[in-house]
Amino acid sequence: DAGVIQSPRHEVTEMGQEVTLRCKPISGHDYLFWYRQTMMRGLELLIYFNNNVPIDDSGMPEDRFSAKMPNASFSTLKIQPSEPRDSAVYFCASSLISTSSKDTQYFGPGTRLTVL
Amino acid sequence: DQQVKQNSPSLSVQEGRISILNCDYTNSMFDYFLWYKKYPAEGPTFLISISSIKDKNEDGRFTVFLNKSAKHLSLHIVPSQPGDSAVYFCAASALSGAQKLVFGQGTRLTINP
Repeated sequence: DAGVIQSPRHEVTEMGQEVTLRCKPISGHDYLFWYRQTMMRGLELLIYFNNNVPIDDSGMPEDRFSAKMPNASFSTLKIQPSEPRDSAVYFCASSLISTSSKDTQYFGPGTRLTVL
Repeated sequence: DQQVKQNSPSLSVQEGRISILNCDYTNSMFDYFLWYKKYPAEGPTFLISISSIKDKNEDGRFTVFLNKSAKHLSLHIVPSQPGDSAVYFCAASALSGAQKLVFGQGTRLTINP
């Protein structure tokens, strides 16, 4: 399996611009997560989906952030308008829940976002 | 409010010695704990986990200890190898939010030859 795929790997944009981050989860996985990594706060969960339905978006920092999962193989995280404080590494992860235990999450390589 | 805290941003250990990474949590509802390892320019990868019904879980050179009364867990790596140099994240989840993981800030481990 190719693993979780994220694009782009790097994004540099100017304040006020719209940014769209993309994620393709591992085939067959039924959970998808978006995280943000910063030095101060480590890895923060922004939102997660189960079977394409958003379950918990309490980590989304502001209305400027939105996420969609139109189908089982694709998700987007959009920031509009972007601000310098949004600069971080954004990770997508997916997992498949078994009935016997809590399975682990598999992370993509991340998108490093820089907002100037 | 950081529910999961890794108070040491960095740790340096000599090759062959034991590395001990620490993690504290505040939410008593957490019942499952994980450690993830992250290399530069890569996503975190799962390393080892422990359920709250246990106080120790071992996998090769890696052992995780859980002290529920102190709300503290630690990861022991012995012997430490240069390839262990990475950032280690502690994570926790509660039964009620089965898939929702709360991560710490991470500890950068450097193994010196």
